[in-house]
Amino acid sequence: GQNIDQPTEMTATEGAIVQINCTYQTSGFNGLFWYQQHAGEAPTFLSYNVLDGLEEKGRFSSFLSRSKGYSYLLLKELQMKDSASYLCAPMDSNYQLIWGAGTKLIIKP
Amino acid sequence: NAGVTQTPKFRVLKTGQSMTLLCAQDMNHEYMYWYRQDPGMGLRLIHYSVGEGTTAKGEVPDGYNVSRLKKQNFLLGLESAAPSQTSVYFCASTLGEGGADTQYFGPGTRLTVL
Repeated sequence: GQNIDQPTEMTATEGAIVQINCTYQTSGFNGLFWYQQHAGEAPTFLSYNVLDGLEEKGRFSSFLSRSKGYSYLLLKELQMKDSASYLCAPMDSNYQLIWGAGTKLIIKP
Repeated sequence: NAGVTQTPKFRVLKTGQSMTLLCAQDMNHEYMYWYRQDPGMGLRLIHYSVGEGTTAKGEVPDGYNVSRLKKQNFLLGLESAAPSQTSVYFCASTLGEGGADTQYFGPGTRLTVL
């Protein structure tokens, strides 16, 4: 079966660094997406990884290990506006996204 | 360039009533999707379309129908609404090139079935 596992909720302090982990099992693999979703809003694209390693984009970085079925999203210099849910979504062999339930990130001053 | 739009934004139905949700995109995207999002669960694919005139079932298609008569529009219909269909519905679209094909989402429709 296909399964995504990520923590339900995390709390971090403004200015700090937080790592959100995601493990997955899919039928085939064509890359992994991370999306950000603020409460009451639509998901928006953050990153895409298809090869092993770290992709850095400003304050956000995403890492992928295909052999371990593992990815993480790293957020640096946290700001209050980073309070949101972060959705891990690997793409299966049919190019369909399999969505995790998301990690709700709470930023405290 | 409005991106992906959805109408209506909110709706309350009584059990057994029918309605149609409209999704429109102005990015000339080939693929379009309908998802539902429920608390504590990931987005679940209801139906999708890989081009004008085509539709296919997703993970949770029962109780819904779709049509894609024009490339820019994707309609989701509920023929006889049930309380289990209370959810937030998101439409998304992509170019349809596979791989790093980013999905762009509409703002969502919040549906309550009483």
